[in-house]
Amino acid sequence: GDSVTQMEGPVTLSEEAFLTINCTYTATGYPSLFWYVQYPGEGLQLLLKATKADDKGSNKGFEATYRKETTSFHLEKGSVQVSDSAVYFCALQTDTGRRALTFGSGTRLQVQP
Amino acid sequence: DAGVIQSPRHEVTEMGQEVTLRCKPISGHDYLFWYRQTMMRGLELLIYFNNNVPIDDSGMPEDRFSAKMPNASFSTLKIQPSEPRDSAVYFCASSLLSQPQHFGDGTRLSIL
Repeated sequence: GDSVTQMEGPVTLSEEAFLTINCTYTATGYPSLFWYVQYPGEGLQLLLKATKADDKGSNKGFEATYRKETTSFHLEKGSVQVSDSAVYFCALQTDTGRRALTFGSGTRLQVQP
Repeated sequence: DAGVIQSPRHEVTEMGQEVTLRCKPISGHDYLFWYRQTMMRGLELLIYFNNNVPIDDSGMPEDRFSAKMPNASFSTLKIQPSEPRDSAVYFCASSLLSQPQHFGDGTRLSIL
């Protein structure tokens, strides 16, 4: 079946450090890929997406590139801020017509001043 | 624009009681999803609807859980009878066909 694997957290960084959160997936066909962010006590917010191979999604300084050959969608940011502290979820949606998202386990990011 | 609205935000009840969670999707969205988030199992789909019709309920744990969508602007998720292992955060999300899902703030459910 479809699955998403994320790196274990928490990830603790100092402000202005470079961020990478790894995400790999297993799915047939060509799924769409997403990163969602969850701040404490809130729901998930879409951060960025990519719908086909080699697409780069970007938003608020975050980027992720859809790599079909490595089945990966790693999240990166060049300089993190304290306000980026949250839980980040990688997710996929298959191209089979099933609309539900399959999520990774989430990675907690803590940014220290 | 109003987002997905869920109620209540928090629910604490005793084992055996009936629990009803409510969701108002974004106006015009034709898909509605119910997800459950727990520490052990992460985020998992319970059920989703398209144009008020249930499409995939393979994630509904057992007969104690039921979901309805009587119209395009309202859905309920009911647990009867509730058990402590049902304690979780329940999220509702909605979307248009080819657009990303928008999530509500969730209902934190505690069954004592």
